Amino acid sequence: QQPVQSPQAVILREGEDAVINCSSSKALYSVHWYRQKHGEAPVFLMILLKGGEQKGHEKISASFNEKKQQSSLYLTASQLSYSGTYFCGTVQGKSTFGDGTTLTVKP
Amino acid sequence: GAVVSQHPSRVICKSGTSVKIECRSLDFQATTMFWYRQFPKQSLMLMATSNEGSKATYEQGVEKDKFLINHASLTLSTLTVTSAHPEDSSFYICSASPGTSIPDTQYFGPGTRLTVL
Repeated sequence: QQPVQSPQAVILREGEDAVINCSSSKALYSVHWYRQKHGEAPVFLMILLKGGEQKGHEKISASFNEKKQQSSLYLTASQLSYSGTYFCGTVQGKSTFGDGTTLTVKP
Repeated sequence: GAVVSQHPSRVICKSGTSVKIECRSLDFQATTMFWYRQFPKQSLMLMATSNEGSKATYEQGVEKDKFLINHASLTLSTLTVTSAHPEDSSFYICSASPGTSIPDTQYFGPGTRLTVL
């Protein structure tokens, strides 16, 4: 079952924060996050496996709730390079991705 | 580490011809490779999952005879679009999973943009 992402699009100024949510009606084995820039392939950001897990590097972090049905990606003090489309995905029998959240960071 | 290459990056062909796309994991062994198709401003659509040495598992609605997948080794998978038609024009992306202690991690190739005239 395809995860549901929200919001569909976000526009920020440099330095502002954003949260992207990914939810499922059933518990997920894992959730992974990717960023895709226009015309390029997705780039792996991180994977979360455990309920209650939080993980991050630099100013991008993510959490996985205890029930493993929701994950959130946190982008703090956004930079222009953060612009792109963010996908959450999972592999349960097959690989599926959410519809993506387009993030635009303006100067 | 975890680099996946795809070749070619862009191909333009005439209707009716076949096109082969290669996906290679350069610095790890990929127990599983995935093939995706992506239309503009849309999400990744899984076409098939392939494991080395076995037949690919195709998603519903994906024609096996049209999209031939071969996963001959732990570092190479190929997708052949046979008798391509304009509606096959798309961005094709492969990913490879090392199947290590961190399951499900996928590393994507740079993608192949196919244009069928």
